[in-house]
Amino acid sequence: GESVGLHLPTLSVQEGDNSIINCAYSNSASDYFIWYKQESGKGPQFIIDIRSNMDKRQGQRVTVLLNKTVKHLSLQIAATQPGDSAVYFCAENRIYNQGGKLIFGQGTELSVKP
Amino acid sequence: NAGVTQTPKFRVLKTGQSMTLLCAQDMNHEYMYWYRQDPGMGLRLIHYSVGEGTTAKGEVPDGYNVSRLKKQNFLLGLESAAPSQTSVYFCASSPIAGGPRKTQYFGPGTRLLVL
Repeated sequence: GESVGLHLPTLSVQEGDNSIINCAYSNSASDYFIWYKQESGKGPQFIIDIRSNMDKRQGQRVTVLLNKTVKHLSLQIAATQPGDSAVYFCAENRIYNQGGKLIFGQGTELSVKP
Repeated sequence: NAGVTQTPKFRVLKTGQSMTLLCAQDMNHEYMYWYRQDPGMGLRLIHYSVGEGTTAKGEVPDGYNVSRLKKQNFLLGLESAAPSQTSVYFCASSPIAGGPRKTQYFGPGTRLLVL
Protein backbone atom coordinates (compact mmCIF):
# COMPACT_ATOMS: atom_id res chain seq x y z
CA GLY A 1 0.00 0.00 0.00
CA GLU A 2 0.92 3.60 -0.19
CA SER A 3 2.12 5.30 2.92
CA VAL A 4 4.23 8.02 4.30
CA GLY A 5 5.64 7.13 7.66
CA LEU A 6 7.97 8.43 10.29
CA HIS A 7 10.63 6.32 11.94
CA LEU A 8 10.33 7.79 15.44
CA PRO A 9 7.16 8.99 17.14
CA THR A 10 9.03 11.16 19.67
CA LEU A 11 12.33 12.97 19.71
CA SER A 12 13.86 14.80 22.65
CA VAL A 13 16.82 17.12 22.16
CA GLN A 14 18.75 19.62 24.20
CA GLU A 15 18.37 23.28 23.37
CA GLY A 16 21.11 24.30 20.99
CA ASP A 17 21.61 20.84 19.55
CA ASN A 18 20.70 19.88 16.01
CA SER A 19 17.57 17.81 15.41
CA ILE A 20 16.98 15.30 12.66
CA ILE A 21 13.50 14.02 11.91
CA ASN A 22 13.15 11.19 9.44
CA CYS A 23 10.43 10.10 7.08
CA ALA A 24 10.00 7.14 4.74
CA TYR A 25 7.70 7.11 1.77
CA SER A 26 6.65 4.26 -0.47
CA ASN A 27 5.44 5.84 -3.71
CA SER A 28 8.37 6.38 -6.05
CA ALA A 29 6.16 8.44 -8.38
CA SER A 30 5.68 11.22 -5.83
CA ASP A 31 7.42 14.33 -7.08
CA TYR A 32 7.02 16.79 -4.26
CA PHE A 33 7.46 16.62 -0.51
CA ILE A 34 6.61 19.00 2.27
CA TRP A 35 7.43 19.34 5.95
CA TYR A 36 4.85 20.82 8.27
CA LYS A 37 5.10 21.91 11.88
CA GLN A 38 2.08 21.67 14.12
CA GLU A 39 2.07 23.32 17.50
CA SER A 40 -0.41 22.28 20.13
CA GLY A 41 -3.90 23.54 19.34
CA LYS A 42 -2.95 24.94 15.96
CA GLY A 43 -3.11 23.90 12.35
CA PRO A 44 -0.11 22.54 10.43
CA GLN A 45 2.27 25.25 9.31
CA PHE A 46 4.41 24.95 6.19
CA ILE A 47 8.15 24.76 6.92
CA ILE A 48 9.93 23.74 3.77
CA ASP A 49 9.39 21.74 0.62
CA ILE A 50 11.48 19.90 -1.92
CA ARG A 51 10.92 18.61 -5.42
CA SER A 52 12.01 15.16 -6.45
CA ASN A 53 14.62 16.54 -8.85
CA MET A 54 16.51 17.94 -5.87
CA ASP A 55 18.53 16.22 -3.14
CA LYS A 56 18.76 19.06 -0.68
CA ARG A 57 17.11 22.32 0.09
CA GLN A 58 17.93 24.80 2.82
CA GLY A 59 15.85 27.33 4.63
CA GLN A 60 16.36 29.38 7.74
CA ARG A 61 17.83 26.91 10.27
CA VAL A 62 16.17 24.01 8.43
CA THR A 63 17.41 21.67 5.75
CA VAL A 64 15.48 18.98 3.96
CA LEU A 65 17.28 16.04 2.40
CA LEU A 66 15.74 13.68 -0.11
CA ASN A 67 17.15 10.26 -0.93
CA LYS A 68 15.07 8.83 -3.73
CA THR A 69 17.07 5.63 -3.88
CA VAL A 70 15.84 4.53 -0.48
CA LYS A 71 12.70 6.71 -0.47
CA HIS A 72 13.75 8.65 2.56
CA LEU A 73 13.20 12.24 3.58
CA SER A 74 14.69 14.06 6.53
CA LEU A 75 14.30 17.42 8.21
CA GLN A 76 17.29 18.89 9.97
CA ILE A 77 16.84 21.74 12.42
CA ALA A 78 19.98 23.57 13.42
CA ALA A 79 20.46 24.98 16.92
CA THR A 80 17.09 23.73 18.11
CA GLN A 81 15.16 26.18 20.25
CA PRO A 82 12.28 25.70 22.72
CA GLY A 83 9.98 27.28 20.15
CA ASP A 84 10.72 24.36 17.83
CA SER A 85 8.84 22.01 20.14
CA ALA A 86 5.94 20.68 18.08
CA VAL A 87 4.79 17.75 16.00
CA TYR A 88 6.45 17.57 12.61
CA PHE A 89 4.71 15.94 9.64
CA CYS A 90 6.16 14.97 6.34
CA ALA A 91 3.81 14.78 3.39
CA GLU A 92 4.04 13.71 -0.20
CA ASN A 93 1.91 15.41 -2.79
CA ARG A 94 0.23 13.37 -5.49
CA ILE A 95 -2.16 14.28 -8.25
CA TYR A 96 -5.39 12.30 -8.36
CA ASN A 97 -7.77 12.98 -11.22
CA GLN A 98 -8.39 16.71 -11.04
CA GLY A 99 -6.89 17.56 -7.71
CA GLY A 100 -3.75 17.41 -5.63
CA LYS A 101 -3.78 15.48 -2.40
CA LEU A 102 -1.32 15.40 0.42
CA ILE A 103 -0.57 12.07 2.08
CA PHE A 104 0.65 12.73 5.59
CA GLY A 105 2.84 10.75 7.89
CA GLN A 106 1.82 10.13 11.48
CA GLY A 107 4.05 12.84 12.86
CA THR A 108 7.07 13.05 15.16
CA GLU A 109 6.80 15.00 18.37
CA LEU A 110 9.89 17.07 18.98
CA SER A 111 10.56 18.09 22.55
CA VAL A 112 13.31 20.60 23.27
CA LYS A 113 14.82 20.58 26.74
CA PRO A 114 16.13 23.92 28.02
CA ASN B 1 -4.25 38.67 4.72
CA ALA B 2 -5.99 36.46 7.25
CA GLY B 3 -5.06 33.33 5.29
CA VAL B 4 -7.36 30.43 6.05
CA THR B 5 -9.96 30.91 8.76
CA GLN B 6 -12.41 28.43 10.24
CA THR B 7 -15.60 28.83 12.24
CA PRO B 8 -16.55 27.74 14.80
CA LYS B 9 -13.42 26.94 16.80
CA PHE B 10 -15.19 24.47 19.05
CA ARG B 11 -18.57 22.81 19.07
CA VAL B 12 -20.39 20.15 21.06
CA LEU B 13 -23.15 18.24 19.32
CA LYS B 14 -25.55 15.52 20.35
CA THR B 15 -25.81 12.40 18.24
CA GLY B 16 -28.13 13.02 15.31
CA GLN B 17 -27.73 16.78 15.24
CA SER B 18 -26.50 18.56 12.15
CA MET B 19 -24.04 21.37 11.71
CA THR B 20 -21.94 23.18 9.12
CA LEU B 21 -18.28 24.09 9.43
CA LEU B 22 -17.19 27.13 7.49
CA CYS B 23 -13.81 27.65 5.89
CA ALA B 24 -12.77 30.88 4.25
CA GLN B 25 -9.57 31.86 2.47
CA ASP B 26 -8.51 35.25 1.18
CA MET B 27 -5.58 34.11 -0.96
CA ASN B 28 -7.59 33.52 -4.13
CA HIS B 29 -6.65 29.83 -4.08
CA GLU B 30 -8.34 27.47 -6.49
CA TYR B 31 -8.10 24.33 -4.37
CA MET B 32 -9.62 23.77 -0.98
CA TYR B 33 -9.63 20.73 1.28
CA TRP B 34 -11.22 19.37 4.43
CA TYR B 35 -9.26 17.01 6.69
CA ARG B 36 -9.91 15.37 9.99
CA GLN B 37 -7.18 14.68 12.50
CA ASP B 38 -7.47 11.91 15.04
CA PRO B 39 -4.87 10.60 17.51
CA GLY B 40 -2.69 7.98 15.89
CA MET B 41 -4.37 8.45 12.50
CA GLY B 42 -2.71 11.58 11.19
CA LEU B 43 -4.54 13.84 8.77
CA ARG B 44 -7.12 12.22 6.53
CA LEU B 45 -8.76 13.89 3.58
CA ILE B 46 -12.55 14.07 3.71
CA HIS B 47 -13.47 16.08 0.62
CA TYR B 48 -11.78 18.56 -1.62
CA SER B 49 -12.58 21.08 -4.32
CA VAL B 50 -10.63 22.04 -7.41
CA GLY B 51 -12.61 25.19 -8.04
CA GLU B 52 -15.83 27.06 -7.45
CA GLY B 53 -18.82 24.80 -7.93
CA THR B 54 -16.83 21.56 -7.85
CA THR B 55 -16.31 19.00 -5.10
CA ALA B 56 -14.79 15.53 -4.90
CA LYS B 57 -14.46 12.76 -2.33
CA GLY B 58 -11.34 12.10 -0.38
CA GLU B 59 -10.34 9.14 1.75
CA VAL B 60 -13.10 9.30 4.38
CA PRO B 61 -16.14 11.08 2.87
CA ASP B 62 -18.94 9.06 4.47
CA GLY B 63 -21.20 11.08 6.74
CA TYR B 64 -20.05 14.42 5.33
CA ASN B 65 -21.15 16.71 2.55
CA VAL B 66 -19.45 19.79 1.15
CA SER B 67 -20.25 22.78 -1.00
CA ARG B 68 -18.12 25.37 -2.79
CA LEU B 69 -20.58 28.02 -3.94
CA LYS B 70 -18.00 30.77 -3.74
CA LYS B 71 -14.31 30.48 -4.53
CA GLN B 72 -13.27 31.74 -1.13
CA ASN B 73 -15.56 29.50 0.93
CA PHE B 74 -15.70 25.76 1.47
CA LEU B 75 -18.42 24.35 3.72
CA LEU B 76 -18.37 20.99 5.45
CA GLY B 77 -21.70 19.62 6.61
CA LEU B 78 -22.61 16.86 9.00
CA GLU B 79 -26.23 15.87 8.40
CA SER B 80 -26.55 13.50 11.37
CA ALA B 81 -23.59 13.65 13.70
CA ALA B 82 -22.19 10.45 15.20
CA PRO B 83 -19.69 9.99 18.05
CA SER B 84 -17.21 8.63 15.49
CA GLN B 85 -17.11 12.11 13.99
CA THR B 86 -15.56 13.54 17.13
CA SER B 87 -12.33 14.95 15.80
CA VAL B 88 -10.39 18.06 14.93
CA TYR B 89 -11.25 19.34 11.48
CA PHE B 90 -8.80 21.30 9.37
CA CYS B 91 -9.44 23.21 6.22
CA ALA B 92 -6.64 23.93 3.78
CA SER B 93 -6.20 25.69 0.47
CA SER B 94 -3.61 25.70 -2.28
CA PRO B 95 -3.07 27.80 -5.42
CA ILE B 96 -3.06 24.99 -7.97
CA ALA B 97 -2.34 21.28 -7.97
CA GLY B 98 0.41 21.20 -10.56
CA GLY B 99 3.90 22.63 -10.54
CA PRO B 100 5.75 23.81 -7.45
CA ARG B 101 2.82 25.66 -5.99
CA LYS B 102 1.27 22.58 -4.44
CA THR B 103 1.74 23.61 -0.85
CA GLN B 104 -1.41 23.62 1.18
CA TYR B 105 -2.03 26.26 3.81
CA PHE B 106 -4.07 25.25 6.81
CA GLY B 107 -6.59 26.92 9.04
CA PRO B 108 -6.48 26.79 12.86
CA GLY B 109 -8.93 23.89 13.13
CA THR B 110 -12.39 23.21 14.53
CA ARG B 111 -12.71 20.90 17.50
CA LEU B 112 -15.91 18.90 17.37
CA LEU B 113 -17.24 16.71 20.14
CA VAL B 114 -20.24 14.50 19.44
CA LEU B 115 -21.92 13.09 22.51
